Amino acid sequence: DSGVTQTPKHLITATGQRVTLRCSPRSGDLSVYWYQQSLDQGLQFLIQYYNGEERAKGNILERFSAQQFPDLHSELNLSSLELGDSALYFCASSVDSGWGETQYFGPGTRLLVL
Amino acid sequence: AQKVTQAQTEISVVEKEDVTLDCVYETRDTTYYLFWYKQPPSGELVFLIRRNSFDEQNEISGRYSWNFQKSTSSFNFTITASQVVDSAVYFCALRGNTDKLIFGTGTRLQVFP
Repeated sequence: DSGVTQTPKHLITATGQRVTLRCSPRSGDLSVYWYQQSLDQGLQFLIQYYNGEERAKGNILERFSAQQFPDLHSELNLSSLELGDSALYFCASSVDSGWGETQYFGPGTRLLVL
Repeated sequence: AQKVTQAQTEISVVEKEDVTLDCVYETRDTTYYLFWYKQPPSGELVFLIRRNSFDEQNEISGRYSWNFQKSTSSFNFTITASQVVDSAVYFCALRGNTDKLIFGTGTRLQVFP
């Protein structure tokens, strides 16, 4: 158990809908990262937050957005969902935002868009 | 550009065999970090090891060992006396002086009893 929690574990929804994925980092970690894992794209970095501020952006679609709250939990919002958004979404956290920091991953949220 | 190549898509071994998972990386950064993660069938990503580019010492942790060679840009992972519980997808990852952790495509290891 990495100490990173994600809810829900599974999510089934329809195209065009909007969903919110939630992540609680390990105790003491200030940085949160979101990743998408799909069969065709592999593991892709989406976005990073550090202590409430956006720190880095990766291959995140404009339909997706995220935020980190004062209590350091983070939410990833996916809107206008398409079939291709079906994937496993991981949240990871690290103590700091430095690029050598080890990222500890949560169990993931498996999203299925029908 | 930064890149991680795990050329072995899938490896099958019988229990107690030794197995090496290859990882080759590309980066222009002089300082970078390499990682290995394990993804068992349950789906979570489990951190195994982090190594910085200035530390070329090999590391052993129980049945696991890692061989980092800057000269060949490789960071290979060996499991000695494999067990069924080692069955998983293993990812090698690189983070240079950028915002991203770059993952390889993973190697699926199947250990049969």
